[in-house]
Amino acid sequence: KAGVTQTPRYLIKTRGQQVTLSCSPISGHRSVSWYQQTPGQGLQFLFEYFSETQRNKGNFPGRFSGRQFSNSRSEMNVSTLELGDSALYLCASSAAELDSTGNTIYFGEGSWLTVV
Amino acid sequence: GQQVMQIPQYQHVQEGEDFTTYCNSSTTLSNIQWYKQRPGGHPVFLIQLVKSGEVKKQKRLTFQFGEAKKNSSLHITATQTTDVGTYFCAGPGDRDDKIIFGKGTRLHILP
Repeated sequence: KAGVTQTPRYLIKTRGQQVTLSCSPISGHRSVSWYQQTPGQGLQFLFEYFSETQRNKGNFPGRFSGRQFSNSRSEMNVSTLELGDSALYLCASSAAELDSTGNTIYFGEGSWLTVV
Repeated sequence: GQQVMQIPQYQHVQEGEDFTTYCNSSTTLSNIQWYKQRPGGHPVFLIQLVKSGEVKKQKRLTFQFGEAKKNSSLHITATQTTDVGTYFCAGPGDRDDKIIFGKGTRLHILP
């Protein structure tokens, strides 16, 4: 079956702009989670959506938001972009909620965002 | 707040040598997961350990979960060039972070 699909793969934005990233989970998976990966901070949890509801949000400012649609596809939005938002944004899907025992998490290839 | 630390940060080994990365949590974990990320790639789930003292093997990879469920290790026997990448451990977070990742150990294989 198809894996987790993220679009776009690469994008360049200027400071102050906003960006929307898209994620299509594996068919049948109801949990979609988002992560920011940078060389300095590593891999950090942004938020998780399960059945269209945000379950948790990591320690990120309100400029970072997301949503999940009834078909489990998810989008994340970053408004008023800053240079420090340059990162690889990863989406992951799983059948059960993120912290469920026995749950396997599948990552997409990520969206590389560069803010100039 | 809760921290998950991994050592070493980098490891260079000759092909055929063994490799071990260690993961330590500041709090007890209900489970721990391991991931591998190839250069330029995305994290790929390797395994989840749940039980205290659990040991699991996947071919040349051996995973251990400590008795206190606060530490874990990944050992690779006789490394191969295909083992190159960064190995991350991760565990359930407290408060807002649903999952917390270690900073990873980057493995480089010398031919």
